[in-house]
Amino acid sequence: QITLRESGPTLVKPTQTLTLTCTFSGFSLSTSGVSVGWIRQPPGKALEWLALIYWDDEKRFSPLLQSRLAITKDTSKNQVVLTVTDVDPVDTAAYFCAHRRVSGAYDKWGQGTLVTVSS
Amino acid sequence: DIQMTQSPSSLSASVGDRVTITCRASQPISNYVNWYQQRPGRAPELLIYVTSLLQSGIPSRFSGSGSGTDFTLTISSLQPDDVATYYCQQSYTNPSTFGQGTKLQIK
Repeated sequence: QITLRESGPTLVKPTQTLTLTCTFSGFSLSTSGVSVGWIRQPPGKALEWLALIYWDDEKRFSPLLQSRLAITKDTSKNQVVLTVTDVDPVDTAAYFCAHRRVSGAYDKWGQGTLVTVSS
Repeated sequence: DIQMTQSPSSLSASVGDRVTITCRASQPISNYVNWYQQRPGRAPELLIYVTSLLQSGIPSRFSGSGSGTDFTLTISSLQPDDVATYYCQQSYTNPSTFGQGTKLQIK
């Protein structure tokens, strides 16, 4: 059974760096074909895809945010870490990590973590 | 980036009605469309993947169709539990993109 859980701060100040951790079970990120993505959702708005990391450490980012995003994995801890630098109030959102199928569908999601950017 | 345009943005229907939500891609994406249901305060849940394949555990009243640029999610007989926002997603190319959502309510 695949499960994912996001963790991190609930409140960050503008210009700070946001670090979010996705801890998962039920699969290994060292297995060929496996990947984990991050998606966010500002309050009352649509889903926005952010980043993706593959089993072979290939990474993909949203072009709009690429300069501010980083994604890493720790296969021994079953974790994926997303960092967002220089945050702004517009980065206030629920952040989700999700297991991605080879077809690109996200079939298992974490519960999400709400991050507020405010001074 | 490929844009995904959903319609309608909101919809009100009666229990038992057939409901259709459409999604149009800004360029051909083969059959790489997925559909999600998001209930208030919850994470999205995968309903349909690769246009028409039903995710395990999802009721058979949900179905998907389409190809190229035009795709459809259909609920054959609307149930009260279906009140939610529905999103399409293209996984044809990175960056993946989502539609703006369709909010479904019961009359």
